[in-house]
Amino acid sequence: GEDVEQSLFLSVREGDSSVINCTYTDSSSTYLYWYKQEPGAGLQLLTYIFSNMDMKQDQRLTVLLNKKDKHLSLRIADTQTGDSAIYFCAESLSGTYKYIFGTGTRLKVLA
Amino acid sequence: NAGVTQTPKFQVLKTGQSMTLQCAQDMNHEYMSWYRQDPGMGLRLIHYSVGAGITDQGEVPNGYNVSRSTTEDFPLRLLSAAPSQTSVYFCASRTVEDYGYTFGSGTRLTVV
Repeated sequence: GEDVEQSLFLSVREGDSSVINCTYTDSSSTYLYWYKQEPGAGLQLLTYIFSNMDMKQDQRLTVLLNKKDKHLSLRIADTQTGDSAIYFCAESLSGTYKYIFGTGTRLKVLA
Repeated sequence: NAGVTQTPKFQVLKTGQSMTLQCAQDMNHEYMSWYRQDPGMGLRLIHYSVGAGITDQGEVPNGYNVSRSTTEDFPLRLLSAAPSQTSVYFCASRTVEDYGYTFGSGTRLTVV
């Protein structure tokens, strides 16, 4: 079945780059997404990438997609304490209305 | 433009009670979904709707009902609450073009 996997925790120092990784199983995914969840809040869409793209950059965020390995990554440049949150990777399954979410990666930024 | 509004934010129920979680969006989005979030399990789809009058089951629909009488509203009903339904519930909506879901702020439900 469909599955999206992420590592549970990542800790970085303020000012460093963060890289959050995700692997997925459905090769027919149309879009892949990154969401951010702060404590007590809902999920906020950060960025998305269409499945025929390799890279997308949006200010401090860079998304890389390796379709051969079914691997998605989110790089946050110059990580700030305000970036501390849980980051979810999600895939939109082609031909359905469903998203499959990963379990989330908790990013902790150390001052 | 409020986005996706969920009420209540917190609720405690006794086993066997019923209740309705409210969800409303003002963005004229066609698609709406209910997810539950449990520790270590990510988000799991309960029910979804692709338009007024059309609903379907997600991966964990048992114990829940939905209806979509208008584009704006998509309430989730718990028929007879069980402790296993203790969770955080999120409502989300998006357009047909699929540029990502907009989420509400969630309802934290505890069943005792």
